[in-house]
This record gives sequence, C-alpha cells and structure tokens, in this order.
Amino acid sequence: AQTVTQSQPEMSVQEAETVTLSCTYDTSESDYYLFWYKQPPSRQMILVIRQEAYKQQNATENRFSVNFQKAAKSFSLKISDSQLGDAAMYFCAYTGTYKYIFGTGTRLKVLA
Amino acid sequence: DTGVSQDPRHKITKRGQNVTFRCDPISEHNRLYWYRQTLGQGPEFLTYFQNEAQLEKSRLLSDRFSAERPKGSFSTLEIQRTEQGDSAMYLCASSLSVSTDTQYFGPGTRLTVL
Repeated sequence: AQTVTQSQPEMSVQEAETVTLSCTYDTSESDYYLFWYKQPPSRQMILVIRQEAYKQQNATENRFSVNFQKAAKSFSLKISDSQLGDAAMYFCAYTGTYKYIFGTGTRLKVLA
Repeated sequence: DTGVSQDPRHKITKRGQNVTFRCDPISEHNRLYWYRQTLGQGPEFLTYFQNEAQLEKSRLLSDRFSAERPKGSFSTLEIQRTEQGDSAMYLCASSLSVSTDTQYFGPGTRLTVL
C-alpha cells in the first residue's frame, strides 16, 4: 500500500526567508502524481503545486518549488520569500489512480 | 468557475441522529470524491463517483454511511445513527474525467456529534 510521511509536525520561518517542508512516500507504482496542498485555518484546501513522476524537471509556481527525488521517494516543498499569508497547514499528497493519499501535514508559522 | 461548495459548513447533532451533507462540484467536473479529516490528520478517502456511478467505497465507510450522486451533478453523504467517532471534517472534491486530474476541494462540513 502507498504511504505518505511528513515528519515535521510544525515549522517556523521568518517573513521573507526561505523554508523547506519535507515529504517522503512509498509506492511500487511507476506512474504517479504528487501534490502539495495548503489549508489555511478554517478555510478550504488549495493546490499549491503538482509534480508528475515521469517528469524529471522539478515543478515551480512563483515562490513555490519542489525538490523531487524519485529514487529516494522524496518530495520537498520550498517556499521562498515567505509571506504572512503562507501560514497554514501544508499537506503532501500522492495519487497513482484516483484517490489521494495524504500525509499528516506540517503546520507552517510565519514570524513577522 | 465558482469552485466546489458544501452545505452545511457546520453541523452539530446528537448521537443516534441522521445527518446529510451536500456537495456541489465544479460544473464541468465528472468526478466527485468524499474524504474525511480528523483533527491532526490528513484527509482520508471515503468514496468517489464518475458521473452518477459510485465506483469505490473505502473500508472506512461503514454501513451507516451512504452517498449518492443523482444525475451526475451534486452529491449527498448521509450518516445514519451517528456516533461520537463520526465527528470530523467531511471534505468533497471534484476533478475532470481523467484519473490523475487535479482534485479541487470544497470548504468542508464540520460534524460534531454530542
């Protein structure tokens, strides 16, 4: 069975600094997709970034980028120039078919 | 595109009562998913629909749970004889037809069973 592990329950970053959130996964599938979702307090989950496993190039979306290491089954999220609005729970998710498998999340605090 | 909507946003009920939640997906999305999220955990898959057909149900979905998607549009999730362990956030998501299309989530319905 596929699993997703986020080993950092909580992280803090100073405003304008860079932070990296970790995610590892386990799968025997060769084709799959990985995601980072952001869930602000009492608000809905928003897609931050998506990575297709067959693509070697790391995905980027403005201040957000990933470090996808397929052999190591690692998928970390880097947030550059952190802003107060980045404070949220961040979930790493995996899908090989249709259902998403989520990690337990990392709470990111941004310090002014 | 108005996004995925869910109603109600909050529901408080007494143990043993029945509750029903509604989800309206993004209009052109054929797939609809239900997840459950408990405190401190990531969402867990419950079930999904391709149009009106319910294609998979998780083992988490006991016989007290039923979901429908009549006419392939909105979906309802009903919990009968609620138990305190049912207290959670129930999330709905939708996507286009292909399995690996990105899922877009609604705001969730927070259920509290007293």
